[in-house]
Amino acid sequence: NAGVTQTPKFRVLKTGQSMTLLCAQDMNHEYMYWYRQDPGMGLRLIHYSVGEGTTAKGEVPDGYNVSRLKKQNFLLGLESAAPSQTSVYFCASSYRGYPTGDSNQPQHFGDGTRLSIL
Amino acid sequence: AQKITQTQPGMFVQEKEAVTLDCTYDTSDPSYGLFWYKQPSSGEMIFLIYQGSYDQQNATEGRYSLNFQKARKSANLVISASQLGDSAMYFCAMREGPGNTPLVFGKGTRLSVIA
Repeated sequence: NAGVTQTPKFRVLKTGQSMTLLCAQDMNHEYMYWYRQDPGMGLRLIHYSVGEGTTAKGEVPDGYNVSRLKKQNFLLGLESAAPSQTSVYFCASSYRGYPTGDSNQPQHFGDGTRLSIL
Repeated sequence: AQKITQTQPGMFVQEKEAVTLDCTYDTSDPSYGLFWYKQPSSGEMIFLIYQGSYDQQNATEGRYSLNFQKARKSANLVISASQLGDSAMYFCAMREGPGNTPLVFGKGTRLSVIA
């Protein structure tokens, strides 16, 4: 009963280094999301995907890239890490739900990745 | 303009008392959904309750209820009979439009339950 699994849980990088955060879900959800959480800012959407092979930008996409090659995985990449990207990163997934009308499908979150850029 | 406003950065409540966490939202879309999540000190995000814009009754889930006042654009979370384990950050979030659009989160309220 894994749900949403994020790898790694912690990482320290130097400015300019690159890395990839992995999100895997075993609930057969169509939608997946990447958020970042900073003190006093709540959660802000970086990128999201509505299905395999599709991605879209969220509120704060700059400096990040994503890929959804398989339905169960959603990767978040930092090509050249900057101190401003120090944050806690959350992945989430949800069912597609109904295409019209209210959608009561909640997002299920991973436990987060704490990333520090020095 | 902020889509979701949580005006209480921190709240204290006595154990076994009820507490209301405020949330106001801003949207011109007639179809939307409102969610509340709990984030304990361990960091995970836990879904608590959902209210749809077309729902006629306020949502309830165990000790959680949502005081939905559509005309005022407010969706306050009420926790009854507070427990020490309720101490956490609480986030209000909104989904605008039909279908499963991404959530927009408020900045959160930190609730501390006192014995």
